[in-house]
Amino acid sequence: RKEVEQDPGPFNVPEGATVAFNCTYSNSASQSFFWYRQDCRKEPKLLMSVYSSGNEDGRFTAQLNRASQYISLLIRDSKLSDSATYLCVVTMGGGGGADGLTFGKGTHLIIQP
Amino acid sequence: NAGVTQTPKFRILKIGQSMTLQCAQDMNHNYMYWYRQDPGMGLKLIYYSVGAGITDKGEVPNGYNVSRSTTEDFPLRLELAAPSQTSVYFCASSPDTLKLFFGSGTQLSVL
Repeated sequence: RKEVEQDPGPFNVPEGATVAFNCTYSNSASQSFFWYRQDCRKEPKLLMSVYSSGNEDGRFTAQLNRASQYISLLIRDSKLSDSATYLCVVTMGGGGGADGLTFGKGTHLIIQP
Repeated sequence: NAGVTQTPKFRILKIGQSMTLQCAQDMNHNYMYWYRQDPGMGLKLIYYSVGAGITDKGEVPNGYNVSRSTTEDFPLRLELAAPSQTSVYFCASSPDTLKLFFGSGTQLSVL
């Protein structure tokens, strides 16, 4: 089983719609979770951390489900500029090793006008 | 306010040639990383460093070398380039091993 799995998509979504996608992880000891955004031919950039209680940043909501070992990202009122690849990152955390981050392959999102 | 700076942005190498990818950060981060990203694949860790003078292998270190003589710089050396090293290379730094700040990447082709 792969450590971090994401549906590669693409998810084709009309502008203004709500879209959500998940990321599953295999290591139950994983501690820290993040969503990164990567535009075409650009570097990944941190979008948001994912906290146990869930967190929201504007139109973006991230959730963690430890029992089922997945995190989710929900985007409301999607904009054309949201088109990108969203990378899930999981780590053992707690300062537990500089090599401890595992990246998913990403979910490709296309917002259509 | 440069962040992480990588050079060059593009490079074409012939098989067997060598080159150094440069990476510099101005955020005084202790942790620095080199990743490669192949199409449709996740980022793979090549080497990392937890501070000046300290480096360690990641998941895919073969064919590469690094050094970290200063906090700011973390160059990646490719010796005897092979077609399998065709990829996009990203350097990153972090203050805490959790949140990474990436450079803009180097697209390398080995022909």
